[in-house]
Amino acid sequence: TQLLEQSPQFLSIQEGENLTVYCNSSSVFSSLQWYRQEPGEGPVLLVTVVTGGEVKKLKRLTFQFGDARKDSSLHITAAQTGDTGLYLCAGSRQGGSEKLVFGKGTKLTVNP
Amino acid sequence: NAGVMQNPRHLVRRRGQEARLRCSPMKGHSHVYWYRQLPEEGLKFMVYLQKENIIDESGMPKERFSAEFPKEGPSILRIQQVVRGDSAAYFCASSPPGHLLKTYEQYFGPGTRLTVT
Repeated sequence: TQLLEQSPQFLSIQEGENLTVYCNSSSVFSSLQWYRQEPGEGPVLLVTVVTGGEVKKLKRLTFQFGDARKDSSLHITAAQTGDTGLYLCAGSRQGGSEKLVFGKGTKLTVNP
Repeated sequence: NAGVMQNPRHLVRRRGQEARLRCSPMKGHSHVYWYRQLPEEGLKFMVYLQKENIIDESGMPKERFSAEFPKEGPSILRIQQVVRGDSAAYFCASSPPGHLLKTYEQYFGPGTRLTVT
């Protein structure tokens, strides 16, 4: 069973549209990170959320950590073709070691 | 400010050979992690090391795989007698010492793509 479930698995939208991707778990996490991965490259850290209910903004990207620290969402406003990529959420479990648990990712394609 | 460096980027080995993957963490980082990414799978934790110490190897296969992070030089992930199922992308990540805020942020290298023929 996957500890972190991401949805949707695939998302194809037109440039200018808004979208939200989700990362859910039944476990509590000390923190959650969102990464973006391009083909043939390593994951690039976008943001870390630590406090339940926390909202962080990075230009057109808005990240939210659930109140119970079990889930998170990423919202992109006015998507651009450069947003295309694999979005991964990862977390360190509360009471666990520093290793990260990853979801399988949401593959986003933004069409011109 | 160089990021996490991994080499080689691509490695081809025949079944039964040894594979050595190297990782140099970001400057100032003393924690190194190795992850494996299989096609259509998420990244899976393998091992967490600090200088000269293995902290958590709960994700490492019991046989053929080993890792080290010596006092000097890069971290090495070694796979002996490789099999086709070892073909994957192997990523190294690093983090700074003393997680004061408990954020556990990790910064990833570009990965080594291992192909076993």
